[in-house]
Amino acid sequence: DTAVSQTPKYLVTQMGNDKSIKCEQNLGHDTMYWYKQDSKKFLKIMFSYNNKELIINETVPNRFSPKSPDKAHLNLHINSLELGDSAVYFCASSPGLGAGEQYFGPGTRLTVT
Amino acid sequence: QKEVEQNSGPLSVPEGAIASLNCTYSDRGSQSFFWYRQYSGKSPELIMSIYSNGDKEDGRFTAQLNKASQYVSLLIRDSQPSDSATYLCAGAGGTSYGKLTFGQGTILTVHP
Repeated sequence: DTAVSQTPKYLVTQMGNDKSIKCEQNLGHDTMYWYKQDSKKFLKIMFSYNNKELIINETVPNRFSPKSPDKAHLNLHINSLELGDSAVYFCASSPGLGAGEQYFGPGTRLTVT
Repeated sequence: QKEVEQNSGPLSVPEGAIASLNCTYSDRGSQSFFWYRQYSGKSPELIMSIYSNGDKEDGRFTAQLNKASQYVSLLIRDSQPSDSATYLCAGAGGTSYGKLTFGQGTILTVHP
């Protein structure tokens, strides 16, 4: 039974389009995150939510809009996609805010052409 | 200056050797540190966490933390080809409260 799941696994789209990535965790964790991993494998946090409340927004363009309908789900919507948005996006969860033990989803590889 | 910096690598060691991965951090307020392993095309997975100065051992893995020197390391004894992966050092706490700040990763290859 998958702990943190993401859909889709691959996303290929054209510049200017809008797309969404969905994440769900069944670990009962309170905190969820979105990370972006670039082509050099550098992993950088984008957002974190704790019990549906936005906690961290790391100077991400406002074309990116996260949404947490409940503490088990965290979605990411991206408007007006740009070439530079191409990356792997990981969702993660942790038992609470500040917990370093994070569990990552399988990732969504986004390619913008 | 990067907040968390890892020895750039890539690192190549023969099977059975000790692999040494190093990490320094700039935020003295950082309280805890983590090592994640990421296989190619997969997601990061936590392999070690360390919160206080000294050594912490778990099987073939030993994490070391020296807060005075702002230095974290991971030793992998009896390295196996299955250990070949990218190792990510991450810090939490201080200005990074509520989030992990990752280093750029070190690629480790263990050759038979």
